[in-house]
Amino acid sequence: DSGVTQTPKHLITATGQRVTLRCSPRSGDLSVYWYQQSLDQGLQFLIQYYNGEERAKGNILERFSAQQFPDLHSELNLSSLELGDSALYFCASSAAPGLIAGELFFGEGSRLTVL
Amino acid sequence: DQQVKQNSPSLSVQEGRISILNCDYTNSMFDYFLWYKKYPAEGPTFLISISSIKDKNEDGRFTVFLNKSAKHLSLHIVPSQPGDSAVYFCAATGNQGGKLIFGQGTELSVKP
Repeated sequence: DSGVTQTPKHLITATGQRVTLRCSPRSGDLSVYWYQQSLDQGLQFLIQYYNGEERAKGNILERFSAQQFPDLHSELNLSSLELGDSALYFCASSAAPGLIAGELFFGEGSRLTVL
Repeated sequence: DQQVKQNSPSLSVQEGRISILNCDYTNSMFDYFLWYKKYPAEGPTFLISISSIKDKNEDGRFTVFLNKSAKHLSLHIVPSQPGDSAVYFCAATGNQGGKLIFGQGTELSVKP
């Protein structure tokens, strides 16, 4: 158990819909990262927050947005869903804003299926 | 643009033998490299890391080697055990906001 909690574990929805994925980081961790893993793909970095502020942005679509709340949990919002958005979405946390000597702790992921 | 590449999607080895997983990177700004292991239905878990100031780091059965001139790193598992069967991801960072860039993963199967 990494200490990172993601909900829901599975989600099935239709094209054009909007979903919200939720992540609670490890106790004390201020950084939250979101990654997407599609079929046969590695983990693609989407976005990072540190203590409520956006820290780094990757290949995140404009239809996607995220935020980190004062209690440090984070939400990833996916809208106007397309078939290609079907993927595993991982949340990870770390204590520091960077990764100087540490590593990320990953949740179990949220599997999104768009029909 | 794939900055971190794992060219072997899968690898099969016999229990007790050495497993060697390879990773190449293109960005010379990367200065910290990590390996993660992932079992089905679980998130990736940290395995071992290496800083660019070193060329080898060892932790029990796991050793990571870094060849900066070749922009190549490898993970050696000796001896391999059936419980090592998992997908292994190589990752790199240049501390660019802390984001990790991952390779596509190599699925290791260790046969008894």
